[in-house]
Amino acid sequence: SQTIHQWPATLVQPVGSPLSLECTVEGTSNPNLYWYRQAAGRGLQLLFYSIGIGQISSEVPQNLSASRPQDRQFILSSKKLLLSDSGFYLCAFTRGYYEQYFGPGTRLTVT
Amino acid sequence: AQSVTQLGSHVSVSEGALVLLRCNYSSSVPPYLFWYVQYPNQGLQLLLKYTTGATLVKGINGFEAEFKKSETSFHLTKPSAHMSDAAEYFCAVSGGDYKLSFGAGTTVTVRA
Repeated sequence: SQTIHQWPATLVQPVGSPLSLECTVEGTSNPNLYWYRQAAGRGLQLLFYSIGIGQISSEVPQNLSASRPQDRQFILSSKKLLLSDSGFYLCAFTRGYYEQYFGPGTRLTVT
Repeated sequence: AQSVTQLGSHVSVSEGALVLLRCNYSSSVPPYLFWYVQYPNQGLQLLLKYTTGATLVKGINGFEAEFKKSETSFHLTKPSAHMSDAAEYFCAVSGGDYKLSFGAGTTVTVRA
């Protein structure tokens, strides 16, 4: 079966520090991969998506970046965190008729 | 381009009562439609999906939704609410461009 993992589950980081969130998918090959952010009261915001290794599309200009070093690995990074980067970060992959399956999420608090 | 509007950001129902969550979509191509549920501090879980064929689709946890093309709607229902249905629900639409457009979400509370 296909599963998706995210880590860490929670993270508290000071403003200006770097960030690296990791997402891996098991049980499938060449999935489409997605990063979303949920800020309090603001719904789901698509940040990046990837349809293949090295292919990253950015949806929102900001101080975040994404990379896909391996087929089933998707990484979200920042060189310097802002307070506004706080939120719940979700990774997802596509299977079948474009439905997306989500990981458990990472709660990021920037202090 | 496609988009989704969820009517009502909060819905409160009594245990055992009907749950009805409204979703209207806009799409320039035949849509694929989805409902997701999210419990606090968890990822989204797929409840059900409409792709083609039967317009009444059944999902997990007793939920179902009906695709009505003439009304551009995909409302979610459950005949009898349970306390465990308290969560946030998201409607989403895909126009076949690798992305989903999500609604703003509806928070359901269930009164004992």
